[in-house]
Amino acid sequence: EAGVAQSPRYKIIEKRQSVAFWCNPISGHATLYWYQQILGQGPKLLIQFQNNGVVDDSQLPKDRFSAERLKGVDSTLKIQPAKLEDSAVYLCASSLTGASGGFRAETQYFGPGTRLLVL
Amino acid sequence: KNEVEQSPQNLTAQEGEFITINCSYSVGISALHWLQQHPGGGIVSLFMLSSGKKKHGRLIATINIQEKHSSLHITASHPRDSAVYICAVTLATSGSRLTFGEGTQLTVNP
Repeated sequence: EAGVAQSPRYKIIEKRQSVAFWCNPISGHATLYWYQQILGQGPKLLIQFQNNGVVDDSQLPKDRFSAERLKGVDSTLKIQPAKLEDSAVYLCASSLTGASGGFRAETQYFGPGTRLLVL
Repeated sequence: KNEVEQSPQNLTAQEGEFITINCSYSVGISALHWLQQHPGGGIVSLFMLSSGKKKHGRLIATINIQEKHSSLHITASHPRDSAVYICAVTLATSGSRLTFGEGTQLTVNP
């Protein structure tokens, strides 16, 4: 079974530029998460999708960050314009979420992450 | 104060030693997760537990719901166990999202 795919693996940009990250979850997984992990800290949830709907985007800086999952499969996360403090690893994860809905604990499967450096 | 606290932040051990990493949380949870993160960023889920104890190979995870505390034990540690170990919880009131601790950097020397 293929895991969660992310691209690119690394990105270096200058502040005020824009950048986009792509994630393809495990086939059949309904729920997709984007996390931001700043060096030395634990990951922080940015946005959670169930199929193509947003479940939680309370910690997404909406003035500069946007995300979509139009067909309920792969997803893109965009930053525009980037700031120095956006330097981090951006992790995508997916989970199965059965027919009973997403409101239960379940194992999340993580991609390799995209390491972003903003200069 | 973070909702999930881990200790220690850094741990260095000699190969073969028994290792314990602790996690305390201050909120109601539906499950607690232990994850492993190797250099390069990839995160692997080790355990998800809501009560008692689970074992997989040399790894053992325990949880005490009343005390809001969990431990991850590694028996007969090996240099390949060197990684960041992260405790995370699924809050009882927030669906399936994870709330993470800061992680424990483990280094096992040969």
